[in-house]
Amino acid sequence: GQNIDQPTEMTATEGAIVQINCTYQTSGFNGLFWYQQHAGEAPTFLSYNVLDGLEEKGRFSSFLSRSKGYSYLLLKELQMKDSASYLCAVRGVGGATNKLIFGTGTLLAVQP
Amino acid sequence: DAGVTQSPTHLIKTRGQQVTLRCSPISGHKSVSWYQQVLGQGPQFIFQYYEKEERGRGNFPDRFSARQFPNYSSELNVNALLLGDSALYLCASSLSYVNQPQHFGDGTRLSIL
Repeated sequence: GQNIDQPTEMTATEGAIVQINCTYQTSGFNGLFWYQQHAGEAPTFLSYNVLDGLEEKGRFSSFLSRSKGYSYLLLKELQMKDSASYLCAVRGVGGATNKLIFGTGTLLAVQP
Repeated sequence: DAGVTQSPTHLIKTRGQQVTLRCSPISGHKSVSWYQQVLGQGPQFIFQYYEKEERGRGNFPDRFSARQFPNYSSELNVNALLLGDSALYLCASSLSYVNQPQHFGDGTRLSIL
C-alpha cells in the first residue's frame, strides 16, 4: 500500500523555527516534494528531494532519508504569511511516473 | 509568463448532471495531470496525460474521463455527478512526465447540490 503521514496541525510563533515531519511508505520512490497551500488557493511548489540530505532554499529547508522513509520541512524566521497548509508528496514509479501521492497536509498557524 | 490556467473558477451542478473542466498548461509544458482535493485532505491523483496520451489513471470510477489536445490543453469530464464529487479540481503541468516538478493551477471548485 501507499501511506504518507504528517501531523494534522501545528502552531508556532512569529520569528521562530518550525519543523514539519513526513513519513512515507510507498511501493516506489522517485522523489519527495513539499508544497505550500493557502486556504482557497492552489498548492505552490516549495522544494524537491530525491537524494538523501538537506536542500536549502532561503528560509525553507527540506531533508530526506530514503532508508528511513522520512522527510522534514524546516521553516526559519517564521512570518505571519507562512500560516498555511504544508503538503508532503511522494512521486511514484511505474505507470504515471510523474504521479504525486499526497499526505493530508499539516495546517500551520503562526501566532504573533 | 502565464501559469496554469483553469476554467471555470467555480461551478454549481445538481446530481446526475455532467461537467467539463478545462486546463491550459504553462507554455512549453507537455504533461498535464488532474487531481481532486476534498476539503481537509491532500489532492488525489485522477489522470496524467503526456503528448495527448493517457499515462496514468488513479482510483476513480469510469464516470471520470479526460483528454489532451494538440496544444497540450486538457479537459476533465465527469458524468452522472454525485454529491461526493464536490471538491476542488486541480490541474498541474510539467515539462515532461518524468523527473519534473508539477505546477498547479488555482483549481475549479465544483459544488454538487
